[in-house]
Amino acid sequence: AAGVIQSPRHLIKEKRETATLKCYPIPRHDTVYWYQQGPGQDPQFLISFYEKMQSDKGSIPDRFSAQQFSDYHSELNMSSLELGDSALYFCASSLTGKETQYFGPGTRLLVL
Amino acid sequence: AQSVTQLDSQVPVFEEAPVELRCNYSSSVSVYLFWYVQYPNQGLQLLLKYLSGSTLVKGINGFEAEFNKSQTSFHLRKPSVHISDTAEYFCAVSEGGNTGKLIFGQGTTLQVKP
Repeated sequence: AAGVIQSPRHLIKEKRETATLKCYPIPRHDTVYWYQQGPGQDPQFLISFYEKMQSDKGSIPDRFSAQQFSDYHSELNMSSLELGDSALYFCASSLTGKETQYFGPGTRLLVL
Repeated sequence: AQSVTQLDSQVPVFEEAPVELRCNYSSSVSVYLFWYVQYPNQGLQLLLKYLSGSTLVKGINGFEAEFNKSQTSFHLRKPSVHISDTAEYFCAVSEGGNTGKLIFGQGTTLQVKP
């Protein structure tokens, strides 16, 4: 079965640069969630979208923005990167009315 | 606000022994409960979930968990572990709906020894 796809899988950036992470949900899933997992930590919710509208917002820095497109894929844009942004970024998708979120493999971001 | 507490940060166990990973949650509303497993350098894989109905839920790889509303717990168990079960296990809670973000516990590292 098709899973959540994230790209790129690995990304190395310098401080103050920008990064764009992409997420392609499971076909027909209309809800996308973004999570950040720091080293040795649990995943923290950043933001979610339902039917291309932001549905919830967590501890996402103002330097980050995200959107969901008409084909339901989502992009997380990160600007003015800081060393502390180094983390594993997960995308998860679900279908309206279904409570289970399915996670992608993650994008590992390293900020130098 | 919801929160999840995993009572053990590390659980060492010998192969073929039983194991229980403990999870307690707090929420003012009805919740959905999940266990995810994360193998080294990999993503999160759903082990099992409680949405409604029977409080004993069975998942993949021989794992099961029991939802206890009065004790606000959702402990994960396996009667006989394998070396391949060595991983990080996360308990998570969601209020559901279209804004149903997951709140994760701090994780429990299961170390299975030969």
